[in-house]
Formats: sequence, C-alpha cells, structure tokens
Amino acid sequence: NAGVIQTPRHKVTGKGQEATLWCEPISGHSAVFWYRQTIVQGLEFLTYFRNQAPIDDSGMPKERFSAQMPNQSHSTLKIQSTQPQDSAVYLCASSPDWGGGTQYFGPGTRLLVL
Amino acid sequence: QQKVQQSPESLSVPEGGMASLNCTSSDRNFQYFWWYRQHSGEGPKALMSIFSDGDKKEGRFTAHLNKASLHVSLHIRDSQPSDSALYFCAASSGGSNAKLTFGKGTKLSVKS
Repeated sequence: NAGVIQTPRHKVTGKGQEATLWCEPISGHSAVFWYRQTIVQGLEFLTYFRNQAPIDDSGMPKERFSAQMPNQSHSTLKIQSTQPQDSAVYLCASSPDWGGGTQYFGPGTRLLVL
Repeated sequence: QQKVQQSPESLSVPEGGMASLNCTSSDRNFQYFWWYRQHSGEGPKALMSIFSDGDKKEGRFTAHLNKASLHVSLHIRDSQPSDSALYFCAASSGGSNAKLTFGKGTKLSVKS
C-alpha cells in the first residue's frame, strides 16, 4: 500500500498564476479531505468528498479555490490567480470510513507563490 | 477562539523519560479525538484514536479522555530520540461532519 500520493511535492508559481494540486487516495477509501498547513494558522480544513460527492467546503476560500473528484482514484485542488498568502503546505487525506474513521495523510504539496 | 487548544507549545525530555501532552476542546460537539505525529517534511501520521472516557494504551503510548471536561492527554513512556516531532491533537464531531479540527501542536524534543 503506497499510502496517499500527492503530486507535485513542491510547486513554485508567480503571483496571479494558476496552481493545480493532485491527490491519489488510498484504494478503497470512500472519503477524501484537503487541509492547508501554515506556521501561523496551523492545520486548517478546506473541503471533503464522500464517494466522490462534495460534502463540506466550508473551509475553502470562496473566490479562487476549487476542488474536484472526477473519479475514485484522484482529487484535484485548483487555485486561480495565486497570491503570496496562498503559500502553504497543502495536505490530502483519505479515510475508509467517512463518518469518523482515522484519516491518513499524504506527504503534502509545498506551494510557494512569489 | 481556538476550538482545540494544546499545551505545552514545546517540551524537552531526556531519552527514556516520560512526555506528557495535553489538549482541551471548547466544543461539546466533538466526540472523537486523535493524536497525530508529524516529522519534518512529512504529513501527519495517526498515532492513536480515543472515543471513550478513560485510558487507551498502545505500546509506549497512552491516551486519556475525559469527555466531561473535554480534556485529552497523551503520555509517552521511555521516550526515544525518534519520538522528536510535532504532535497534534485533532477532534471531530463525526457523522456527516467528519472534518478534523486540529490544535496548534506541541513540539517534542527527546535529548539523548
């Protein structure tokens, strides 16, 4: 079991450019979560999917962030018109039990917006 | 107000010593608690879950939950240098509200 796979591991973008982050959850897991980690804010929830359907996006900045899960094997987080304050580590997690099971995290994508 | 608060912010213990980490929640909807550990450059890794009042022991790690006071603790006995990491307490309401709310973390250093 390779665990949760995230690509790329590092991404550098210029201010105003678009960034797309990819996540491959653990096979068979029904829930996929996205979090963001910064020194100042810590770990913050962004959004999650259950059986590919969006369930809760209460943590997503409304204007420039979007997430999709087109099939059970991958999810994407897209940030349009990136800003320096978007610089963070973006973490994807999956869980076999959407209701309250343990979430297994990937290594994260470190995004730097210059 | 931070819904999950951890203390101390940092902790240093000698190799072989006991490390005690604390976590308090201000949201009574939280029913499920986890301790995660994160080494530099890696994602958080689940150490233990605890959902019922009392103690739960797994190897060198013991978690304690008091739902009345919404207090969770983690005790690491016989601490090893490899235990040096950032430790997070995380809580969830469960059901359709499965997102985790994390504390700010405790940085543990085990000195050999």
